[in-house]
Amino acid sequence: EVQLVESGGGLVQPGGSVRLSCAASGFNYSNYWMSWVRQAPGKGLEWVANIDPEEREEYYVDSVEDRFTISRDNAKNSLYLQMNSLRAEDTAVYFCARLRGGFDIDYWGQGTLVAVSS
Amino acid sequence: SSELTQDPAVSVALGQIVRITCQGDSLRYYYASWHQQKPGQAPLVVIYDTTHRPSGIPDRFSGSSSGDTASLTITGAQAEDEAAYFCKSRDSSGNHLVFGGGTHLTVL
Repeated sequence: EVQLVESGGGLVQPGGSVRLSCAASGFNYSNYWMSWVRQAPGKGLEWVANIDPEEREEYYVDSVEDRFTISRDNAKNSLYLQMNSLRAEDTAVYFCARLRGGFDIDYWGQGTLVAVSS
Repeated sequence: SSELTQDPAVSVALGQIVRITCQGDSLRYYYASWHQQKPGQAPLVVIYDTTHRPSGIPDRFSGSSSGDTASLTITGAQAEDEAAYFCKSRDSSGNHLVFGGGTHLTVL
């Protein structure tokens, strides 16, 4: 069974940093593109970043470029999102997602909440 | 344009047919997928590659596309189908994912 379990969320001050993790299991993790998607309270889904299986390609939504970094550790079946210079508008539930062929999401994690507030 | 446009809300009588649409230029070139989200839960894929249904998703859910518009159809809507539905595709670069604003479906 495919499982994606996020962790690392919490309350962070504006300008602060946090690192999210996503533990993957139930599939051959090193074969898949992975993604982070976020959802602000009461709002829709917003794609944040993608990473290829070998960490050679990374893509970001413009609003997080130069502040967030997606990475992975295939030996640990883990995905990460390093979030720096956080702003109030980054407050959201952050979901880890697996991408199948064609950049389609086929599995979602349960999400972890990041709240940016003083 | 990399935007996907959805109607904010749609309602359907129990057991009737409802179509939820998603419009955007990128849908001419890339597949759409549809994601169901109930309050307090993670999204769930109900349609991928525009027309394919994952295992475990009831066959009352179907997907289609024409030109710049993708559609999710629920044939015989059930009370448990009440949820937000988000379409997803790619932007013109092909490397970025794009979501529609979501459609909240009410089953009357």
